[in-house]
Amino acid sequence: DPKIIQKPKYLVAVTGSEKILICEQYLGHNAMYWYRQSAKKPLEFMFSYSYQKLMDNQTASSRFQPQSSKKNHLDLQITALKPDDSATYFCASSPRTDEQYFGPGTRLTVL
Amino acid sequence: GDSVTQTEGPVTVSESESLIINCTYSATSIAYPNLFWYVRYPGEGLQLLLKVITAGQKGSSRGFEATYNKETTSFHLQKASVQESDSAVYYCAPLATSSGQKLVFGQGTILKVYL
Repeated sequence: DPKIIQKPKYLVAVTGSEKILICEQYLGHNAMYWYRQSAKKPLEFMFSYSYQKLMDNQTASSRFQPQSSKKNHLDLQITALKPDDSATYFCASSPRTDEQYFGPGTRLTVL
Repeated sequence: GDSVTQTEGPVTVSESESLIINCTYSATSIAYPNLFWYVRYPGEGLQLLLKVITAGQKGSSRGFEATYNKETTSFHLQKASVQESDSAVYYCAPLATSSGQKLVFGQGTILKVYL
């Protein structure tokens, strides 16, 4: 059974719209993260949460807003979508300061 | 800023040959000695291959080893004898000293092993 679930797997959106990427982890971890990988670029850290509190934000734009409704959830809301937002978004989690486990990703295409 | 540089791929090797994938990183904000190698096999997600989280430790897994060199800020990945099933994309990812446990990824190295 998958331990980190990301939904949807693929997502197509139009410029200017708003989407929410879902992430749930069933590993019992207290820390959760979002990363992004754009075409031909390395995986890039976006946010980290610990015990549902924001720890670090490396995203310049306020259009990206994490939402943690439960301890094992960290969704990512993206508003006013742009074509440059097209990327694969990965959710990850970790027990504390140990290795991070990654979800399968959501591939977002903005037209 | 934080940066990680890996061997440019694709790297193509014959089965049973040895392999080394280089990884070097900027030392300004990396949380020594928290260093990781991740791997993505075809059609699968990103998974941890090995880690070094204690000074002096050598990470190893599935026949792969990684040796940390603090002086050269390098964390190269090696395997003595590769198999076709090792064909994948390999990512070096040291941990940065931000407050949020940020992994800094290299660009990834595609490895192709042929029979």
